[in-house]
Amino acid sequence: AQKVTQAQTEISVVEKEDVTLDCVYETRDTTYYLFWYKQPPSGELVFLIRRNSFDEQNEISGRYSWNFQKSTSSFNFTITASQVVDSAVYFCALSERNYGQNFVFGPGTRLSVLP
Amino acid sequence: DGGITQSPKYLFRKEGQNVTLSCEQNLNHDAMYWYRQDPGQGLRLIYYSQIVNDFQKGDIAEGYSVSREKKESFPLTVTSAQKNPTAFYLCASSPSGNTIYFGEGSWLTVV
Repeated sequence: AQKVTQAQTEISVVEKEDVTLDCVYETRDTTYYLFWYKQPPSGELVFLIRRNSFDEQNEISGRYSWNFQKSTSSFNFTITASQVVDSAVYFCALSERNYGQNFVFGPGTRLSVLP
Repeated sequence: DGGITQSPKYLFRKEGQNVTLSCEQNLNHDAMYWYRQDPGQGLRLIYYSQIVNDFQKGDIAEGYSVSREKKESFPLTVTSAQKNPTAFYLCASSPSGNTIYFGEGSWLTVV
């Protein structure tokens, strides 16, 4: 079955600290896609990244980096030198190619970056 | 501007009323979705549509209805059968199951 787990409900860090948000997934498909979204207080979900199941190369975009490991079914997200503007709820999501193309979201992790 | 437009941003419903939330996209995406988010909670899928004139129930479809008469539009009706409709509703679209993009959301409150 399709499932996404984000074990960290809330995280608080002080500005400039590094923080890693965990995401563990379950899938029955061999081809799937993983995503991270950011939901600031305004409410809109902002797309951050998509990863294909056959591409395990880690990715870095500015202060953001993602570590995809199929062996542990994890897709973790690290923010380096966090800033107050990073405060938001972050969602990890999974889409299976061969099973209805439905998207399943994790419960989200609320990140608070304190000045 | 290209994107997904939801309206209204805020809506109040009286007990027993049906209300319709609008969702329009000009991204030429095939698939459209409706999600519900309760305070402090994750997203739950209400309905989704992969093509015009076709849609499927999600995990919490009871008390909701949708239509997909045009590719650009996917309105959601919250019927009086939905006993606890107060929530944040998010519309999304996707080019054939690829990355999903969201609108700004609509807040529905029962008064």
